[in-house]
Amino acid sequence: QVQLVESGGGLVKPGGSLRLSCAASGFIFSDYYMNWIRQAPGKGLEWISSISTSGDTIYYADSVRGRFTISRDNAKNSLFLQINSLRAEDTAVYYCARRQWELPTIYYFDYWGQGTLVTVSS
Amino acid sequence: DIQMTQSPSSLSASLGDRVTITCRASQSISSYLNWYQQKPGKAPKLLIYAASRLQSGVPSRFSGSGSETDFALTITSLQPEDFAIYYCQQSYTTPTWTFGQGTKVEVK
Repeated sequence: QVQLVESGGGLVKPGGSLRLSCAASGFIFSDYYMNWIRQAPGKGLEWISSISTSGDTIYYADSVRGRFTISRDNAKNSLFLQINSLRAEDTAVYYCARRQWELPTIYYFDYWGQGTLVTVSS
Repeated sequence: DIQMTQSPSSLSASLGDRVTITCRASQSISSYLNWYQQKPGKAPKLLIYAASRLQSGVPSRFSGSGSETDFALTITSLQPEDFAIYYCQQSYTTPTWTFGQGTKVEVK
């Protein structure tokens, strides 16, 4: 069965860095675009980044561009998010999600991980 | 950027009620609209995609409708497990995405 398991969250001081990971299993990882979505405490969902199947096409939300870097290792079935220059407003649960598609141009997130909490505080 | 606005932000309903949540896009998105359900402490779960297609395994009391800018998620006969937060999401601009702010369905 499809599984996505995030890790790497924790408590970090403002200005610090973290590297989040998402371990995928149960499907051909290299066939799917992958995404990071975050949710601040008590708030809604915010899409933050997408990466193509090969990793050569990447997109970011304006709120994180320049500080966050998405990457993937298809040989290890893993997705990553490097987060730099952390701010209090980056405090959130970070989810990875698989993008599913159907012909001709229908897309949605069909599987999500359980999330990893990042807390930015001094 | 396409903005997604849900209404209401919250609602109170009783078991067995029919509930409708609306989602409006700031520009036409054809039928590229998905709905998710999120329960406390859990990841979102896909309910409806492409505005009206029911995800496998989702009960038939959930349905979606609409196109262009106006969409709705309807739950016929609300069940105890349906109390949750519901989010719409546009996929028109994939691989970038926008979610609505969410609608919380609470017990009356």
